[in-house]
Amino acid sequence: AQRVTQPEKLLSVFKGAPVELKCNYSYSGSPELFWYVQYSRQRLQLLLRHISRESIKGFTADLNKGETSFHLKKPFAQEEDSAMYYCALLYNNNDMRFGAGTRLTVKP
Amino acid sequence: GAGVSQTPSNKVTEKGKYVELRCDPISGHTALYWYRQSLGQGPEFLIYFQGTGAADDSGLPNDRFFAVRPEGSVSTLKIQRTERGDSAVYLCASSPGGAGETQYFGPGTRLLVL
Repeated sequence: AQRVTQPEKLLSVFKGAPVELKCNYSYSGSPELFWYVQYSRQRLQLLLRHISRESIKGFTADLNKGETSFHLKKPFAQEEDSAMYYCALLYNNNDMRFGAGTRLTVKP
Repeated sequence: GAGVSQTPSNKVTEKGKYVELRCDPISGHTALYWYRQSLGQGPEFLIYFQGTGAADDSGLPNDRFFAVRPEGSVSTLKIQRTERGDSAVYLCASSPGGAGETQYFGPGTRLLVL
């Protein structure tokens, strides 16, 4: 079955520290993976997608098919990065399956 | 330009009642999605429209849930005989074309069934 697992519900780091939000997926086909972010009192929005291979707000994510992972990383966290982060898998061209989310808090 | 809008922002109803939730997608977006987000969970896919037709309704939990998009723009999610377990935030998203494109989310409707 298609599944996205975000093992950490909460993650707290200090400003300037590296941050890694973990995401593992289960899918027999060719995965298309995304990271969505929801800042406080704002709507859910796309942060990045693996096919773009881009860096957004200093975040990057590499698809590792061997480990079935798509971890989100940033070398130096900022306070404004505090938000809820969701990893998502698109399968069957239509269905987007989201993980349960990780709440990142960046402390000053 | 205007983003995806959803009305009402909050809805309180009693068990057994019927509710309608409305979504106005971004103008020109042909694809529209409904999700349900329960407390502490990520959004759960319900249904996907391409134009006026439901291209994929496999996420609808049972036949109490139904959605329409008669003119290929505004969509309404309808829930009959509501149950307490239906309480959740219902999210709508739209994208310009195919499902693989960036989805733009609305603010959600928070439904509480008493």
